[in-house]
Amino acid sequence: QLQLQESGPGLVKPSETLSLTCTVSGGSISVTTYSWGWIRQPPGKGLEWIGSIHYSGTTYYNPSLKSRVTISEDTSKNQFSLRVNSVTATDTAVYYCARLLAGGFTYGPWGQGTLVTVSS
Amino acid sequence: QPVLTQSSSVSASLGSSVKLTCTLSSGHSGYSIAWHQQQPGKAPRYLMKLEGSGTYNKGSGVPDRFSGSSSGADRYLTISNVQSEDEADFHCETWDSKTQVFGGGTKLTVV
Repeated sequence: QLQLQESGPGLVKPSETLSLTCTVSGGSISVTTYSWGWIRQPPGKGLEWIGSIHYSGTTYYNPSLKSRVTISEDTSKNQFSLRVNSVTATDTAVYYCARLLAGGFTYGPWGQGTLVTVSS
Repeated sequence: QPVLTQSSSVSASLGSSVKLTCTLSSGHSGYSIAWHQQQPGKAPRYLMKLEGSGTYNKGSGVPDRFSGSSSGADRYLTISNVQSEDEADFHCETWDSKTQVFGGGTKLTVV
């Protein structure tokens, strides 16, 4: 059974870089059928797509975040990662990783999510 | 880039039926969407993909009580025989070749 698990610091200082990793178990990220994505949810608000990566290395980003976001993959570890530069309090959110159909929607499964708070 | 509009909240009585709406923005009425359910304190889970034709494909384990339909730019999620465990936030999502977009979500309260 495919499972995704986010990991990384729960507290990040303003202006610093948020870094998270998603570890995939029960299946390989090196498949053409799927992409792997990051979605976040500020407290009490809706979902916001951040971006996604295909095992070929192709990445897509939310235009509103593109200048600050990098998504990468490590196929040897079956992981993909998120970096958000120059964070502010508005980046405080639960961050989810999830599997997407390549060129399509979030098919799941989703990770359990990890809360990242931006505060000094 | 498409925009998805959802009502913020809806309530339904136990055992009744409820229809949630997700509306696509002008010029995007032919897009497919996906519905996701997010129970309190949990991660979202995929419910179904819904096409503009009204054809839908549910995820594994999604009860028969959940169904989808379409009319113009509107995409619907109908829950029949509402149960207490259906109390959740419901999110719609659409996509094109390079981006995904989520609606604001609808909170379903079961009374």
